[in-house]
Amino acid sequence: ILNVEQSPQSLHVQEGDSTNFTCSFPSSNFYALHWYRWETAKSPEALFVMTLNGDEKKKGRISATLNTKEGYSYLYIKGSQPEDSATYLCASSVGGTSYGKLTFGQGTILTVHP
Amino acid sequence: DTAVSQTPKYLVTQMGNDKSIKCEQNLGHDTMYWYKQDSKKFLKIMFSYNNKELIINETVPNRFSPKSPDKAHLNLHINSLELGDSAVYFCASSQLQRGWYEQYFGPGTRLTVT
Repeated sequence: ILNVEQSPQSLHVQEGDSTNFTCSFPSSNFYALHWYRWETAKSPEALFVMTLNGDEKKKGRISATLNTKEGYSYLYIKGSQPEDSATYLCASSVGGTSYGKLTFGQGTILTVHP
Repeated sequence: DTAVSQTPKYLVTQMGNDKSIKCEQNLGHDTMYWYKQDSKKFLKIMFSYNNKELIINETVPNRFSPKSPDKAHLNLHINSLELGDSAVYFCASSQLQRGWYEQYFGPGTRLTVT
């Protein structure tokens, strides 16, 4: 994998459903994996930053896991609510003195229907 | 309190003009970035400054010139604007946190070149 890829591109779920999406990233020279939540007409907001293989992070109903050896991360939302509707972006950074150069995926657009 | 602010929010101008977008952060961060959201909605890094020093300079036409008068400000000047420069430009900032580079984004500036 040369780029950061996210799947699916979009997702429609009903309120109360649990959902998950995937981020694939280059595993060589990996440094960190970021998840951002981006609501329409707002700016991206950081959810998680993970660096270690096997990392799991949780914030309320949202959690994320990281597998640096195979180059993927999952984002899970439990009991989706309409306010969870947003674009979820992942981004990876590589080691060295790149000072936070992030390569973003195209995002997964989540729509939660009441 | 606005953490990362950009001005203007909207900018409509004609081809050939020169324009600037300003960015300011009040988070005390030492690194700032400019991203361009392309036609496919990808966020792509353009430039990054650390303590007023240019550290990331992606393949960007030299009509684009960043300027950092101090570490709280990073402005983007664009000469001889072209139709293809129409996009949303995001400023971001970060501070080294235990090796993580969580980035805080501004609200974006939508540039339309006619």
